[in-house]
Amino acid sequence: NAGVMQNPRHLVRRRGQEARLRCSPMKGHSHVYWYRQLPEEGLKFMVYLQKENIIDESGMPKERFSAEFPKEGPSILRIQQVVRGDSAAYFCASSPPDRAREKLFFGSGTQLSVL
Amino acid sequence: GESVGLHLPTLSVQEGDNSIINCAYSNSASDYFIWYKQESGKGPQFIIDIRSNMDKRQGQRVTVLLNKTVKHLSLQIAATQPGDSAVYFCAEKTKARQLTFGSGTQLTVLP
Repeated sequence: NAGVMQNPRHLVRRRGQEARLRCSPMKGHSHVYWYRQLPEEGLKFMVYLQKENIIDESGMPKERFSAEFPKEGPSILRIQQVVRGDSAAYFCASSPPDRAREKLFFGSGTQLSVL
Repeated sequence: GESVGLHLPTLSVQEGDNSIINCAYSNSASDYFIWYKQESGKGPQFIIDIRSNMDKRQGQRVTVLLNKTVKHLSLQIAATQPGDSAVYFCAEKTKARQLTFGSGTQLTVLP
């Protein structure tokens, strides 16, 4: 049973470009979460989605950031017009419906570097 | 305010000794707690969790203790091994909020 899959593993963008981060949840998991981690810090919640619905986006910056989890395909975290401050590790997690918001299984993350 | 924090940013233990990693929380409404282990370059890995209606839970070589009176959570690792070296995070959840993570403790196991 494959775990949470994230790609790319590393992403380099220049200021002003767009970054797209992908996440496929574990099989049978319909809840997806995105967290951001700066060096030597804990994970900060960004957004919680179910299929075709955003449940909680209270941690998402108001501008340039968006997330989706379509009926088919992976969840996408999109960052438009990236700035150096967006450089971080972005982790996706998933959970089964009966453990929503609790026992999250994390992927290996995408390390975004903005030049 | 609401926060989840750790008493010590680093902890070094001798191989074979027991490790205790502490975590303080301030939100009395938190009803669920969880510990994760994160190795360098990897995503957080689930270790153990506990609900607020319990005060102790044991896993394989790990025990989580919850003291709601002083809002304190601890992770005990028995017979610490080199493979236990990692950053350990506690996280809490309330009914209304998502998992909130602390800043982490770096555990180093000395040979």
